[in-house]
Amino acid sequence: AQSVTQLDSQVPVFEEAPVELRCNYSSSVSVYLFWYVQYPNQGLQLLLKYLSGSTLVESINGFEAEFNKSQTSFHLRKPSVHISDTAEYFCAVSDSGGYQKVTFGIGTKLQVIP
Amino acid sequence: DGGITQSPKYLFRKEGQNVTLSCEQNLNHDAMYWYRQDPGQGLRLIYYSQIVNDFQKGDIAEGYSVSREKKESFPLTVTSAQKNPTAFYLCASTTPGQGGQPQHFGDGTRLSIL
Repeated sequence: AQSVTQLDSQVPVFEEAPVELRCNYSSSVSVYLFWYVQYPNQGLQLLLKYLSGSTLVESINGFEAEFNKSQTSFHLRKPSVHISDTAEYFCAVSDSGGYQKVTFGIGTKLQVIP
Repeated sequence: DGGITQSPKYLFRKEGQNVTLSCEQNLNHDAMYWYRQDPGQGLRLIYYSQIVNDFQKGDIAEGYSVSREKKESFPLTVTSAQKNPTAFYLCASTTPGQGGQPQHFGDGTRLSIL
């Protein structure tokens, strides 16, 4: 069985400050890791993913996440947030099987304060 | 542009009534999913389908039913047996079996009780 823990349900941060959204996972098999973003009343959009290779992955809008196998973590970071980053962020883990069961965390609401 | 269309965006259900949520995709994806989203609980899997004319129960299938007669369509019926149907429902699709493929989401249907 696999599980995802997002340690913070809400994270307030001032505009232009750095932010880290924490995600830990557990799984007995090899996994793929994802971060999705959800704006109000919309579906989820893929932000970035880790499949293999370099443990640091980046998105086009300045977010990055680092896969740490020993700590079973996949924390999301941004060095300087904007108002437009206000949204809910979901960490997800997928197994490598054919069905690809995806388990989502409960989400972290990022509130950027002007 | 390819994507997933969910309709209606808002839906109201009367006591004892069945309602059907529509999900259509033109991404040529084989696998489709239905999730339920409640505040603070993340996404929970209701049903999934890997191929036409086949579907499987997810973690919270009781009170719901689905069909998959066409590759493009995966409607969800919320039956009167679902005693707490108020939630945000998300449909997703992906290409299974290729390892680490992200899920693409529609913009959701918000269901409320009258």
